[in-house]
Amino acid sequence: GENVEQHPSTLSVQEGDSAVIKCTYSDSASNYFPWYKQELGKRPQLIIDIRSNVGEKKDQRIAVTLNKTAKHFSLHITETQPEDSAVYFCAASGASGSARQLTFGSGTQLTVLP
Amino acid sequence: DAGVIQSPRHEVTEMGQEVTLRCKPISGHNSLFWYRQTMMRGLELLIYFNNNVPIDDSGMPEDRFSAKMPNASFSTLKIQPSEPRDSAVYFCASTTGQTNSPLHFGNGTRLTVT
Repeated sequence: GENVEQHPSTLSVQEGDSAVIKCTYSDSASNYFPWYKQELGKRPQLIIDIRSNVGEKKDQRIAVTLNKTAKHFSLHITETQPEDSAVYFCAASGASGSARQLTFGSGTQLTVLP
Repeated sequence: DAGVIQSPRHEVTEMGQEVTLRCKPISGHNSLFWYRQTMMRGLELLIYFNNNVPIDDSGMPEDRFSAKMPNASFSTLKIQPSEPRDSAVYFCASTTGQTNSPLHFGNGTRLTVT
């Protein structure tokens, strides 16, 4: 089955700096890669996703890049703000792109220091 | 849209007692998932349903865990008897089931077994 590795497990940045979280996956057939943000005591919420036919996707201050050859994808947050502090999870789905095949990474605790 | 609704938000029970967690998926979503989240193991898929039918329960830790979905708008996860190691946050999530459709999580039930 799919295996997703996520790094780093914790990340601290100064407000205004950029943050990058990286994930690798094992199943070359995976074709859907969502990112979830989970604030303390709350539910994971989808913030951005990318499909395998696209190399990069942006939404305001967040962007995701995908390298299918290397089987890794990354989340980039620019101009970080204190409200960006949360746990971020990457995930990868199998060939069907179905949510039932989503495998989650272990999470990255991002802390934005004021 | 009220989103995925879970109840209760918090449950504290003694070892050996039966625990029932409840979930109402988003209307129109035909796939429902139960996840367990712990610090040690992250987000683990326990079971998922498609059109009210259990498709894969390989993530259910043992026979003490059972899940049902009697209709399209209601699902339960039952633990009987409960043990302290079952303490975790249990999330229900739903999706339309279409390829690359996003997964929507409920607010979770924080279970503490003493």
